[in-house]
Amino acid sequence: EPEVTQTPSHQVTQMGQEVILRCVPISNHLYFYWYRQILGQKVEFLVSFYNNEISEKSEIFDDQFSVERPDGSNFTLKIRSTKLEDSAMYFCASSEGYRFTEAFFGQGTRLTVV
Amino acid sequence: QKEVEQNSGPLSVPEGAIASLNCTYSDRGSQSFFWYRQYSGKSPELIMFIYSNGDKEDGRFTAQLNKASQYVSLLIRDSQPSDSATYLCAVNPSNSGNTPLVFGKGTRLSVIA
Repeated sequence: EPEVTQTPSHQVTQMGQEVILRCVPISNHLYFYWYRQILGQKVEFLVSFYNNEISEKSEIFDDQFSVERPDGSNFTLKIRSTKLEDSAMYFCASSEGYRFTEAFFGQGTRLTVV
Repeated sequence: QKEVEQNSGPLSVPEGAIASLNCTYSDRGSQSFFWYRQYSGKSPELIMFIYSNGDKEDGRFTAQLNKASQYVSLLIRDSQPSDSATYLCAVNPSNSGNTPLVFGKGTRLSVIA
Protein backbone atom coordinates (compact mmCIF):
# COMPACT_ATOMS: atom_id res chain seq x y z
CA GLU A 1 0.00 0.00 0.00
CA PRO A 2 1.43 3.41 -0.94
CA GLU A 3 2.44 5.58 1.97
CA VAL A 4 3.94 8.93 2.83
CA THR A 5 7.49 8.55 4.10
CA GLN A 6 9.24 11.02 6.39
CA THR A 7 12.87 11.26 7.48
CA PRO A 8 14.35 11.47 10.01
CA SER A 9 11.95 10.00 12.57
CA HIS A 10 13.59 12.02 15.33
CA GLN A 11 15.79 15.10 15.09
CA VAL A 12 17.50 16.82 17.98
CA THR A 13 18.98 20.23 17.27
CA GLN A 14 20.43 23.12 19.18
CA MET A 15 18.52 26.37 19.37
CA GLY A 16 19.46 28.64 16.51
CA GLN A 17 20.41 25.84 14.14
CA GLU A 18 18.68 25.11 10.84
CA VAL A 19 16.88 21.81 10.23
CA ILE A 20 15.46 20.21 7.11
CA LEU A 21 12.65 17.72 7.41
CA ARG A 22 12.11 15.44 4.45
CA CYS A 23 9.01 13.80 3.02
CA VAL A 24 8.26 11.56 0.07
CA PRO A 25 4.54 11.92 -0.73
CA ILE A 26 2.42 9.24 -2.40
CA SER A 27 3.45 9.23 -6.04
CA ASN A 28 0.19 10.14 -7.80
CA HIS A 29 -0.79 12.78 -5.27
CA LEU A 30 -0.78 16.43 -6.31
CA TYR A 31 -1.20 18.33 -3.04
CA PHE A 32 1.28 18.31 -0.23
CA TYR A 33 1.00 19.66 3.29
CA TRP A 34 2.98 20.18 6.43
CA TYR A 35 1.23 20.06 9.78
CA ARG A 36 2.70 20.15 13.23
CA GLN A 37 1.51 18.93 16.61
CA ILE A 38 3.01 20.29 19.79
CA LEU A 39 2.84 17.68 22.56
CA GLY A 40 -0.68 17.48 23.92
CA GLN A 41 -2.04 20.03 21.44
CA LYS A 42 -4.08 19.81 18.26
CA VAL A 43 -2.73 19.14 14.80
CA GLU A 44 -2.07 22.54 13.23
CA PHE A 45 -1.76 23.40 9.56
CA LEU A 46 1.46 25.02 8.42
CA VAL A 47 1.50 25.11 4.63
CA SER A 48 0.07 23.54 1.50
CA PHE A 49 1.92 23.14 -1.78
CA TYR A 50 0.64 22.54 -5.28
CA ASN A 51 2.14 22.83 -8.73
CA ASN A 52 5.53 23.72 -7.28
CA GLU A 53 4.37 26.64 -5.24
CA ILE A 54 2.80 27.45 -1.91
CA SER A 55 -0.97 27.58 -2.23
CA GLU A 56 -1.85 28.43 1.35
CA LYS A 57 -0.02 29.02 4.60
CA SER A 58 -1.01 29.67 8.19
CA GLU A 59 0.15 32.45 10.47
CA ILE A 60 2.56 29.96 12.03
CA PHE A 61 4.41 29.67 8.73
CA ASP A 62 6.48 32.83 8.93
CA ASP A 63 9.85 33.75 7.40
CA GLN A 64 11.53 31.16 9.59
CA PHE A 65 9.97 28.41 7.49
CA SER A 66 10.31 27.44 3.85
CA VAL A 67 9.25 24.51 1.70
CA GLU A 68 10.70 23.07 -1.45
CA ARG A 69 10.19 20.22 -3.87
CA PRO A 70 13.78 19.91 -5.02
CA ASP A 71 13.59 16.89 -7.30
CA GLY A 72 9.98 16.06 -8.15
CA SER A 73 9.60 13.43 -5.46
CA ASN A 74 10.88 14.85 -2.17
CA PHE A 75 9.08 17.60 -0.31
CA THR A 76 11.08 19.40 2.35
CA LEU A 77 10.38 21.75 5.24
CA LYS A 78 13.27 23.95 6.30
CA ILE A 79 13.22 25.68 9.67
CA ARG A 80 15.85 28.37 10.05
CA SER A 81 17.19 29.46 13.41
CA THR A 82 15.13 27.00 15.45
CA LYS A 83 13.55 28.07 18.72
CA LEU A 84 12.60 25.98 21.73
CA GLU A 85 8.93 26.38 20.86
CA ASP A 86 9.51 24.73 17.48
CA SER A 87 9.77 21.41 19.33
CA ALA A 88 6.87 19.33 17.99
CA MET A 89 5.89 16.43 15.77
CA TYR A 90 5.93 17.54 12.16
CA PHE A 91 3.67 15.63 9.83
CA CYS A 92 3.80 15.63 6.08
CA ALA A 93 0.59 14.75 4.26
CA SER A 94 -0.44 14.35 0.66
CA SER A 95 -3.73 14.08 -1.19
CA GLU A 96 -4.90 13.47 -4.72
CA GLY A 97 -6.62 16.81 -4.57
CA TYR A 98 -9.99 16.25 -6.08
CA ARG A 99 -13.22 17.00 -4.32
CA PHE A 100 -13.70 15.49 -0.88
CA THR A 101 -10.34 13.85 -0.96
CA GLU A 102 -8.71 12.59 2.14
CA ALA A 103 -5.16 13.40 3.20
CA PHE A 104 -2.74 10.65 4.13
CA PHE A 105 -0.13 11.38 6.76
CA GLY A 106 3.46 10.30 7.10
CA GLN A 107 4.66 8.81 10.36
CA GLY A 108 6.05 12.18 11.46
CA THR A 109 9.37 13.67 12.51
CA ARG A 110 9.78 14.47 16.17
CA LEU A 111 11.82 17.66 16.39
CA THR A 112 13.41 18.46 19.72
CA VAL A 113 15.13 21.83 20.07
CA VAL A 114 17.49 22.06 23.03
CA GLN B 1 -11.83 31.58 12.60
CA LYS B 2 -12.80 28.06 11.67
CA GLU B 3 -13.14 25.91 14.78
CA VAL B 4 -13.65 22.22 15.35
CA GLU B 5 -14.63 21.24 18.87
CA GLN B 6 -14.38 17.88 20.55
CA ASN B 7 -14.71 16.75 24.14
CA SER B 8 -11.16 15.86 25.17
CA GLY B 9 -12.30 12.95 27.34
CA PRO B 10 -11.15 10.49 28.38
CA LEU B 11 -14.18 8.51 27.28
CA SER B 12 -14.11 5.13 28.96
CA VAL B 13 -16.23 2.26 27.66
CA PRO B 14 -16.18 -1.45 28.48
CA GLU B 15 -15.02 -3.93 25.88
CA GLY B 16 -17.84 -4.86 23.50
CA ALA B 17 -19.79 -1.64 24.09
CA ILE B 18 -20.55 1.13 21.60
CA ALA B 19 -18.29 4.17 21.83
CA SER B 20 -19.80 7.45 20.66
CA LEU B 21 -17.50 10.32 19.73
CA ASN B 22 -18.83 13.74 18.89
CA CYS B 23 -17.59 16.80 17.03
CA THR B 24 -19.04 20.21 16.18
CA TYR B 25 -17.72 22.71 13.68
CA SER B 26 -18.19 26.41 13.23
CA ASP B 27 -17.96 26.91 9.45
CA ARG B 28 -21.42 26.23 8.04
CA GLY B 29 -19.95 25.99 4.53
CA SER B 30 -17.77 23.01 5.41
CA GLN B 31 -18.03 20.25 2.88
CA SER B 32 -16.25 17.12 4.03
CA PHE B 33 -15.49 15.58 7.37
CA PHE B 34 -12.88 13.10 8.45
CA TRP B 35 -12.20 10.91 11.43
CA TYR B 36 -8.59 10.04 12.18
CA ARG B 37 -7.28 7.74 14.88
CA GLN B 38 -4.02 8.67 16.57
CA TYR B 39 -2.12 6.39 18.89
CA SER B 40 0.22 8.10 21.31
CA GLY B 41 3.34 9.36 19.55
CA LYS B 42 2.10 8.24 16.14
CA SER B 43 0.64 9.98 13.12
CA PRO B 44 -3.07 10.41 12.41
CA GLU B 45 -4.53 7.40 10.58
CA LEU B 46 -7.63 7.94 8.46
CA ILE B 47 -10.62 5.87 9.60
CA MET B 48 -13.32 7.25 7.35
CA PHE B 49 -14.76 10.35 5.79
CA ILE B 50 -18.27 11.57 5.15
CA TYR B 51 -19.72 14.43 3.11
CA SER B 52 -23.45 13.74 2.85
CA ASN B 53 -25.97 14.09 5.62
CA GLY B 54 -26.87 10.82 7.26
CA ASP B 55 -24.93 7.73 8.21
CA LYS B 56 -21.99 6.02 6.58
CA GLU B 57 -20.92 2.60 7.78
CA ASP B 58 -17.58 0.85 7.38
CA GLY B 59 -17.16 -2.32 9.40
CA ARG B 60 -17.48 -1.51 13.09
CA PHE B 61 -17.39 2.23 12.41
CA THR B 62 -20.32 4.49 11.57
CA ALA B 63 -19.93 8.19 10.82
CA GLN B 64 -22.97 10.41 11.18
CA LEU B 65 -23.29 13.89 9.71
CA ASN B 66 -25.89 16.56 10.38
CA LYS B 67 -24.97 19.72 8.48
CA ALA B 68 -27.96 21.68 9.81
CA SER B 69 -26.71 21.15 13.35
CA GLN B 70 -23.03 21.35 12.29
CA TYR B 71 -22.43 18.08 14.04
CA VAL B 72 -20.53 14.95 13.08
CA SER B 73 -20.10 11.82 15.14
CA LEU B 74 -18.30 8.49 15.06
CA LEU B 75 -19.75 5.32 16.52
CA ILE B 76 -17.51 2.34 17.22
CA ARG B 77 -19.41 -0.88 17.73
CA ASP B 78 -18.04 -3.85 19.68
CA SER B 79 -15.22 -1.69 21.06
CA GLN B 80 -11.90 -3.45 21.55
CA PRO B 81 -8.96 -2.51 23.79
CA SER B 82 -6.98 -1.90 20.56
CA ASP B 83 -9.43 0.92 19.78
CA SER B 84 -7.99 2.86 22.73
CA ALA B 85 -6.53 5.96 21.11
CA THR B 86 -7.24 9.63 20.48
CA TYR B 87 -9.83 10.23 17.78
CA LEU B 88 -9.41 13.40 15.75
CA CYS B 89 -12.24 15.07 13.92
CA ALA B 90 -11.08 17.07 10.89
CA VAL B 91 -13.03 19.32 8.57
CA ASN B 92 -12.33 20.44 5.03
CA PRO B 93 -14.03 23.84 4.77
CA SER B 94 -14.41 23.78 0.99
CA ASN B 95 -14.78 21.58 -2.07
CA SER B 96 -11.15 21.92 -2.94
CA GLY B 97 -8.53 19.32 -2.08
CA ASN B 98 -6.18 22.24 -1.76
CA THR B 99 -7.81 23.52 1.41
CA PRO B 100 -6.08 22.41 4.58
CA LEU B 101 -7.94 20.34 7.10
CA VAL B 102 -8.94 21.96 10.37
CA PHE B 103 -8.52 19.55 13.26
CA GLY B 104 -10.19 19.29 16.61
CA LYS B 105 -8.09 18.60 19.65
CA GLY B 106 -9.27 15.00 19.76
CA THR B 107 -11.16 12.76 22.14
CA ARG B 108 -9.18 10.18 24.07
CA LEU B 109 -10.99 6.83 24.10
CA SER B 110 -10.16 4.13 26.62
CA VAL B 111 -11.69 0.68 26.11
CA ILE B 112 -11.57 -1.32 29.32
CA ALA B 113 -11.11 -5.09 28.98
